[in-house]
Amino acid sequence: EMVMTQSPATLSVSPGERATLSCRASQSVGYSLAWYQQKPGQAPRLLIHSASTRATGIPARFSGSGSETEFTLTISSLQSEDFAVYYCQQYNNWWTFGQGTKVEIK
Amino acid sequence: QVQLQESGPGLVKPSGTLSLTCAVSGASISSGNWWSWVRQPPGKGLEWVGEISHSESTNYKPSLESRITISVDKSKNQFSLKLSSVTAADTAMYYCATRHGTSFYWGRGTLVTVSS
Repeated sequence: EMVMTQSPATLSVSPGERATLSCRASQSVGYSLAWYQQKPGQAPRLLIHSASTRATGIPARFSGSGSETEFTLTISSLQSEDFAVYYCQQYNNWWTFGQGTKVEIK
Repeated sequence: QVQLQESGPGLVKPSGTLSLTCAVSGASISSGNWWSWVRQPPGKGLEWVGEISHSESTNYKPSLESRITISVDKSKNQFSLKLSSVTAADTAMYYCATRHGTSFYWGRGTLVTVSS
């Protein structure tokens, strides 16, 4: 069964700083990788699909990279509304989610 | 724009069956998509539980396969989840979702609590 591992579990960042989140797949998923943002009481919000394509309406400060088993989500300059939990999801074979990275205010 | 809306009882007794429905608008459930259920226990991460295709093929999370059934009702443009023999561990927010084209669409979720 596919396993997605995100690191770190928690990332403490000051507003305006860059945040880099990692996601590793236990086997290759090609480019079938999405990133979501989730805030308390809300459904996940799609940020990135196909490893690096921003979803409609997503600000340019969010970028994704990687392929096969190693992926990265970068938030170039954190805004107050970006503090949330982020999940990666593979959709190459069924769906599998990482355990999440919480981005908190430093 | 694809829209999904979950509905069903918010409280289920232990050993009972959880039943949820997802109403789809903006797309036909008979199109070439897979229609999925994802759950999230309180304070925890997202867990894919299963999916059904337009041709009614299904895939289930292996650890739930003995208890889960996903079905479609094409006449109502909706799909459903049934989870039997529930325990407190099945308490979660349940989301329906789909991949349509290059994007993903999610419902707002419905909280199901397993308690007597």
